[in-house]
Amino acid sequence: EAQVTQNPRYLITVTGKKLTVTCSQNMNHEYMSWYRQDPGLGLRQIYYSMNVEVTDKGDVPEGYKVSRKEKRNFPLILESPSPNQTSLYFCASSLSVGGNGYTFGSGTRLTVV
Amino acid sequence: QKEVEQNSGPLSVPEGAIASLNCTYSDRGSQSFFWYRQYSGKSPELIMFIYSNGDKEDGRFTAQLNKASQYVSLLIRDSQPSDSATYLCAVKSLRGYSGGGADGLTFGKGTHLIIQP
Repeated sequence: EAQVTQNPRYLITVTGKKLTVTCSQNMNHEYMSWYRQDPGLGLRQIYYSMNVEVTDKGDVPEGYKVSRKEKRNFPLILESPSPNQTSLYFCASSLSVGGNGYTFGSGTRLTVV
Repeated sequence: QKEVEQNSGPLSVPEGAIASLNCTYSDRGSQSFFWYRQYSGKSPELIMFIYSNGDKEDGRFTAQLNKASQYVSLLIRDSQPSDSATYLCAVKSLRGYSGGGADGLTFGKGTHLIIQP
C-alpha cells in the first residue's frame, strides 16, 4: 500500500530533550515536506526537500532540523524542544512540488512540557 | 506574500443539499489548485486538483476555477453527514526551488463544513 509513515503518533517530552520524528514513504517520491498545524494558523511549512541531500527552509524553520540522506526518509529533528513547538506535525510527499497533490502521513501530536 | 483565503465557517448545510466552498488567492502566477478534506485530528486527504479554467467533476465533487477572478471553489452535491470536515484549499505558484524560501505551495486555513442530518 502506498503510504507515508510517521512515528511516533503521540509524544510528550520535556523542554530541551532532543527528539526525532521519523517519516518514510514507499512511493519513490522525490519531494517531501514537513508541516505543523495549529488552531487558527492552519498548515505552516517547516522544511521541504526536492531530492536526496536537497533541503530548504519553509515558513517556520526556527528550532527544527531535517536531513534527506535517502530518498524514502525525511526525519524532523528538534534539538532543544520548547513549549511553543507543541503542535500537530504532518509529513507529506509527492512526485514533485504540488504535483498531483500531496500524500500526508497520519500526523504526530507533540506536547512539550 | 502569497495568500490563500477561505471563510473559516462553520458552514452549515442540510443533508442532501449542495455545499459550496470558496477560496481566493492573491498570486496571478498560480498554476495548480487543490482541495483537501481533513477530519478532526486526522491528516489532510486530497479530494481534487484542477489546473485549467472551468469545471472538473469527480463523483459528487466539482471543482471550479476562474483564474481571471482568482477564485477556486468546491461543490459537494447530495451532501452527507460524512462530508462534515474541514476543507483546505491549496495553491501552487510558479515559484519553486530557488535556494531559499518556501516551495510555492500555499494552504488556506480551511473552511469547517457541517452537514446537518
